[in-house]
Amino acid sequence: AQSVTQPDIHITVSEGASLELRCNYSYGATPYLFWYVQSPGQGLQLLLKYFSGDTLVQGIKGFEAEFKRSQSSFNLRKPSVHWSDAAEYFCAVTANAGKSTFGDGTTLTVKP
Amino acid sequence: DGGITQSPKYLFRKEGQNVTLSCEQNLNHDAMYWYRQDPGQGLRLIYYSQIVNDFQKGDIAEGYSVSREKKESFPLTVTSAQKNPTAFYLCATMPQGHGYNEQFFGPGTRLTVL
Repeated sequence: AQSVTQPDIHITVSEGASLELRCNYSYGATPYLFWYVQSPGQGLQLLLKYFSGDTLVQGIKGFEAEFKRSQSSFNLRKPSVHWSDAAEYFCAVTANAGKSTFGDGTTLTVKP
Repeated sequence: DGGITQSPKYLFRKEGQNVTLSCEQNLNHDAMYWYRQDPGQGLRLIYYSQIVNDFQKGDIAEGYSVSREKKESFPLTVTSAQKNPTAFYLCATMPQGHGYNEQFFGPGTRLTVL
């Protein structure tokens, strides 16, 4: 069975500082990995995805993520955080049949 | 304007009542999904459908039912058998039910049991 772990429930960073959100997955085959962002009371929006090729993927809003098979990780990064990045972030792994498993999320707070 | 519509945005239910949450899409996507979101627990899959007239149970299907009579619509009924239905419900679609496709999410319905 597939699973996703986001070890950090809540992270606080200062505006302009760098950010790394951690994601570890468990899946028997080549994983399809995603990062989504959710603002309060709204649906989720895709930030980026990985399914093959270059292990460093670029997404929207200046985010990037690196797939490391040896560590079963897919960490999300941003070099300089903006106040508008405050939200909840979800990592997900999807099986071939399109069934996704989501992590419990990491809430990002940005200090001015 | 393409997208996913969920209605109503807020829904209040008395204990013992069944309620139906609407999800409509005009993206022409084959697969549709229902998730439940509780604070600190992420998204949990209730039901999903990859084609019309077919659907499968997800991880927490007990107390819920769905139908997929049209490609555009995937309504979710929360029955009185669901013991703790107060939650935020999200509908999602996928172009086809393949793992490499992203999911597109609706704005959600917040259900509160009074």
